[in-house]
Amino acid sequence: GGIITQTPKFLIGQEGQKLTLKCQQNFNHDTMYWYRQDSGKGLRLIYYSITENDLQKGDLSEGYDASREKKSSFSLTVTSAQKNEMAVFLCASSIGTGAGNTLYFGEGSRLIVV
Amino acid sequence: GDSVTQTEGPVTVSESESLIINCTYSATSIAYPNLFWYVRYPGEGLQLLLKVITAGQKGSSRGFEATYNKETTSFHLQKASVQESDSAVYYCALGDDGSFNKLTFGAGTRLAVCP
Repeated sequence: GGIITQTPKFLIGQEGQKLTLKCQQNFNHDTMYWYRQDSGKGLRLIYYSITENDLQKGDLSEGYDASREKKSSFSLTVTSAQKNEMAVFLCASSIGTGAGNTLYFGEGSRLIVV
Repeated sequence: GDSVTQTEGPVTVSESESLIINCTYSATSIAYPNLFWYVRYPGEGLQLLLKVITAGQKGSSRGFEATYNKETTSFHLQKASVQESDSAVYYCALGDDGSFNKLTFGAGTRLAVCP
């Protein structure tokens, strides 16, 4: 089996700061995703990537940048951290984008803005 | 847009009791969505529990079952006898049956099973 590793587990930054989350997967999956989860709410898609160097915007992409430098890694940058976006960020991957494909998730990274 | 509503947690049950976590969906842009239950155990990442992509079918895994009911737009999760190890957060989700499997998740239901 494979694993998805997200770093760091906790990211603490100041308001207005640019902050970056990293995700690595060893499934050799083509597609990777970044989701945001706010307390008491469902996951919302920020960005996804169907292959190396590809980027697609999700429902919540404003205020974020993403980078798929290689097949195994997918980074997410908060361009200017705000206190109202403290949340848990989840990285996921899947074999492809086809309907019904299973997503495999990392444990999540919690963003704290002070 | 699409939405998923599920039982608000936390839900607390005793070991060996039966469980049902309700899930209803609204798929305004998708005629026949794919339906999923994902689960997050303590200290682990979210993982697929079961999925059903055909209306009327039932999915099962680890003693849990869910039936895709298009008439009532529901996908309730049931287990006849829960164990302490089932304590986790359960998420119902729907996905597009088109080319991109974009998932819409419910808010999650935290389940605590007492010994």
